[in-house]
Amino acid sequence: GQNIDQPTEMTATEGAIVQINCTYQTSGFNGLFWYQQHAGEAPTFLSYNVLDGLEEKGRFSSFLSRSKGYSYLLLKELQMKDSASYLCAVRDPAGGSYIPTFGRGTSLIVHP
Amino acid sequence: DVKVTQSSRYLVKRTGEKVFLECVQDMDHENMFWYRQDPGLGLRLIYFSYDVKMKEKGDIPEGYSVSREKKERFSLILESASTNQTSMYLCASSLGQGDLEDEQYFGPGTRLTVT
Repeated sequence: GQNIDQPTEMTATEGAIVQINCTYQTSGFNGLFWYQQHAGEAPTFLSYNVLDGLEEKGRFSSFLSRSKGYSYLLLKELQMKDSASYLCAVRDPAGGSYIPTFGRGTSLIVHP
Repeated sequence: DVKVTQSSRYLVKRTGEKVFLECVQDMDHENMFWYRQDPGLGLRLIYFSYDVKMKEKGDIPEGYSVSREKKERFSLILESASTNQTSMYLCASSLGQGDLEDEQYFGPGTRLTVT
């Protein structure tokens, strides 16, 4: 089975840094994804981690520790437009499927 | 850019009606998916397909069926709509073909209300 946990909601101030955590318990592991979803819109791909360490993409970075079953998404220099839901998804091939399973998402509210 | 389109943004149907939700992708992707998204429950996989005429059940297939007659089109069918199927339905596609990353591209969603 799979268990993916994220905080339900976070708030942060414009210009600040925020870290959104994701922990998972899976039988196997073949990659972790982060998606961003603005209200009323489709999720869009942000990052993919399959090896331990930090992947940086502009203001957004994603970190993975496979031994700890842990990832975080780091957003720097927050902007109002970063207010969105952030979805963590883990791919576990142990059951014969390569389809990622999504966590329930973290709603981030950025205020002035 | 990959484009995934869904036939309707909003749909209102009556209990017992047969409902068709259509999804089309234009990037020759092998994999296509149907999810429903509900507050507090996140994205849940209903069905997916990794090739034409192939389909696999996801986590919550009960009450749904799918059809993939052409590579670019994946249809979700509610045989007899019920009020507990009121939800946001999201279609997605991914390249497949052994691509390691294989990120998903989502359509804009169809908000279905069953009364």
